[in-house]
Amino acid sequence: DAMVIQNPRYQVTQFGKPVTLSCSQTLNHNVMYWYQQKSSQAPKLLFHYYDKDFNNEADTPDNFQSRRPNTSFCFLDIRSPGLGDAAMYLCATSRDLDSLAKNIQYFGAGTRLSVL
Amino acid sequence: AQKITQTQPGMFVQEKEAVTLDCTYDTSDPSYGLFWYKQPSSGEMIFLIYQGSYDQQNATEGRYSLNFQKARKSANLVISASQLGDSAMYFCAMREGNTGGFKTIFGAGTRLFVKA
Repeated sequence: DAMVIQNPRYQVTQFGKPVTLSCSQTLNHNVMYWYQQKSSQAPKLLFHYYDKDFNNEADTPDNFQSRRPNTSFCFLDIRSPGLGDAAMYLCATSRDLDSLAKNIQYFGAGTRLSVL
Repeated sequence: AQKITQTQPGMFVQEKEAVTLDCTYDTSDPSYGLFWYKQPSSGEMIFLIYQGSYDQQNATEGRYSLNFQKARKSANLVISASQLGDSAMYFCAMREGNTGGFKTIFGAGTRLFVKA
């Protein structure tokens, strides 16, 4: 059974129309991550939550926001999607951050976002 | 400077043969973790194997083993007895234990094709 679930798998939105991607986990992990992955490239970390503590990467555009209302759920909000935001968005979890082994990340199947 | 380098954009292997995917890394932190992930065309990143910098033995997980050569800063993934289902993108990744924050850095990936 999937332990990190992303919905929807495919999302089409219009240029400038806000969109929310969701992620849920059944692992009870403390850390949740959002990555952006463009075609044939490595995943790029946007931000992560350590429990309720939000950590934004320095180069993540302001257009991208996130919410974590509880341990199980995390949302990625794109306020005004541009054509360049079309990508696969991957959610991941890890048990903790205090040891490297606990930083093994478990990923969802991703949401592929298209912007028209 | 690139912290994780995967020099093979694509690799072909015959079914049932072994294949080595190369990964070199660069860090001055004595504490670090190395990870390999598999990403099939469906998009989900699947954790394969972990090696800590202080681990004395090479990590193994079923058909996967990590050829860890610390002095050369290499962490090659060896897949024994390749199967058609091994066709996928493979990412090498590293997290530094004392520096670099909580970020896991991914290489550019190697696409593996298994031939019948």
